[in-house]
Amino acid sequence: DVKVTQSSRYLVKRTGEKVFLECVQDMDHENMFWYRQDPGLGLRLIYFSYDVKMKEKGDIPEGYSVSREKKERFSLILESASTNQTSMYLCASSPGGPPGAEAFFGQGTRLTVV
Amino acid sequence: DQQVKQNSPSLSVQEGRISILNCDYTNSMFDYFLWYKKYPAEGPTFLISISSIKDKNEDGRFTVFLNKSAKHLSLHIVPSQPGDSAVYFCAASNTGNQFYFGTGTSLTVIP
Repeated sequence: DVKVTQSSRYLVKRTGEKVFLECVQDMDHENMFWYRQDPGLGLRLIYFSYDVKMKEKGDIPEGYSVSREKKERFSLILESASTNQTSMYLCASSPGGPPGAEAFFGQGTRLTVV
Repeated sequence: DQQVKQNSPSLSVQEGRISILNCDYTNSMFDYFLWYKKYPAEGPTFLISISSIKDKNEDGRFTVFLNKSAKHLSLHIVPSQPGDSAVYFCAASNTGNQFYFGTGTSLTVIP
């Protein structure tokens, strides 16, 4: 079974803190993604990576950065957490290449910024 | 601008009846479409997909229909069961390297 593991299920951080969300996949997938899910807005892409050390901005990259030093690990960084970054964060991976394969998601991290 | 749209935020269906969830897209370059199911406090799980070269794909109680001319797809669940109660997301891909998601439809199956 493909497994995508996010380091925390629940996090509470203070405004202004630097926050790291970690994600690891075990299927040697090329692509990894970070989404956030908010009520009424669906899943919005923050960043994705199609190779080690490569990254592309998604639809809402402001206030976030990412790091992919190893193929299996993709980190999302909130440089200075703000209350409007309170959300459910979802990491996903996919094999990449021609269409025909789905993305696999982690269990999600519910982040609350106070 | 939202490239994948689910215009119904919620849907309630009696157990045993058919659930029909709809999705529209704007990008004609999309060539692969997926449905995901999500329970609260969990990540989405893949349900069923369809390639743009097909108009129907069936897997057990789940069938996805694609109408390319209308840029519309739908998910049919027959018969609906209480365990199907969840949020369903439609997604589309054009290269296999990015997935665009809709806003989700919350399905409630009433026993």
